[in-house]
Parts: sequence; structure tokens; C-alpha cells
Amino acid sequence: DGGITQSPKYLFRKEGQNVTLSCEQNLNHDAMYWYRQDPGQGLRLIYYSQIVNDFQKGDIAEGYSVSREKKESFPLTVTSAQKNPTAFYLCASSTQGGYGYTFGSGTRLTVV
Amino acid sequence: DAKTTQPPSMDCAEGRAANLPCNHSTISGNEYVYWYRQIHSQGPQYIIHGLKNNETNEMASLIITEDRKSSTLILPHATLRDTAVYYCIVKPSGSRLTFGEGTQLTVNP
Repeated sequence: DGGITQSPKYLFRKEGQNVTLSCEQNLNHDAMYWYRQDPGQGLRLIYYSQIVNDFQKGDIAEGYSVSREKKESFPLTVTSAQKNPTAFYLCASSTQGGYGYTFGSGTRLTVV
Repeated sequence: DAKTTQPPSMDCAEGRAANLPCNHSTISGNEYVYWYRQIHSQGPQYIIHGLKNNETNEMASLIITEDRKSSTLILPHATLRDTAVYYCIVKPSGSRLTFGEGTQLTVNP
């Protein structure tokens, strides 16, 4: 079945360490997105990519970095510059025209 | 994208219809109304979308007022598994999804 896989489901890191969250899709979607969700709040867009080797900042990109070397993969690195990295991170994909948004099951990152 | 207003929470009895309202008084002619839901600690799931006409699928019905300034998502026979946060999103077709805080629907036995 086609879908989006995020791994791991839970991740723990020490403060000051960079950490990379994985997102893979086999839907043949051109566009991919990373969202952050804090308790009791909606999703906020971190970065998005509409095509391989290209990506744009979303609303809260500071302290994060991404790469898009393959159509299927859009990893997110949470750097030590992100002041409050503990959150639920969701990856999504869609057609280039923004149709058929599909979300992964998320990675819950805890920084101690 | 037009702003939406939803009640923060609602309750519904199992087996009854759940009617979730959404106000979008500044909606533009090219903006669609989308509904997604998010079960706790999972990714959001698409439910339904529409432009002007009422829409129905296997999950829900979407009723859009004639002036398009508000809409209602209807779950005809709510079950405990429908307990989730429901997001009403107004946007042009093809643009990025932007989420508000949604409505927490709790279906009670």
C-alpha cells in the first residue's frame, strides 16, 4: 500500500545535539512538507519542497534544516539552534498541485 | 487564505449525528472548504471538501451555506472512534494546508 513512513515514532535527545527525523513516501508525490505540533495547538509549517533539490521555508523554519535529494525522501534535522525542540513532528506529501495531502503518523521528539 | 472560526470543543452521544460548525465569513470565490481530523497522536486524515455545493462521501456530509460564509460537517452516526480534533480549512485549490486549533469532538457512550 502507498503511504508515508516516519521513523522513529519516539525519539529522545540531549540538549545541544542535532537530530534527524526520517520521512519516506511511495505515493509518487512531488511535494513534501514538515509540520510541528505543540500540545493543544494546530500544525505549523516548518519547511516544504515542491520538487527534488528545491525547498522553501515555512512559518517556523528557524533552527531546522532539510534536504530533498530524492523524490521519496525529505529528512528534517532539528539543530541545536532550535530553542524549544520538544514537539510532535508530522510529515506530509501531496501532488505538485497541492492535491491528495497525506500525512505520516508522526515522530514525537523529546529533548532533555 | 481566509480565516476560519470553530468552537474549541463539542460533545456528542454515540449513534447520534455530530454537527460541527465552521465560520469563514471572508472566504473568496476561489477558496474551497476542507475538513481534516486528527485522532490523538496520529497524523491528520482528510475527510471531505467542497466549493459551493453540498458534498457527501462515506465518512461525512458537508453543508455549505448559500453565501458560503459558513459550513457544517455532519457525521451521521458518530462512534467512539470519531473522537478527534476536527479542522476546517479554507484555501484555494492547490495551495498549502494551514491549520488552526480545530474543534475537539468527544463522542460519549
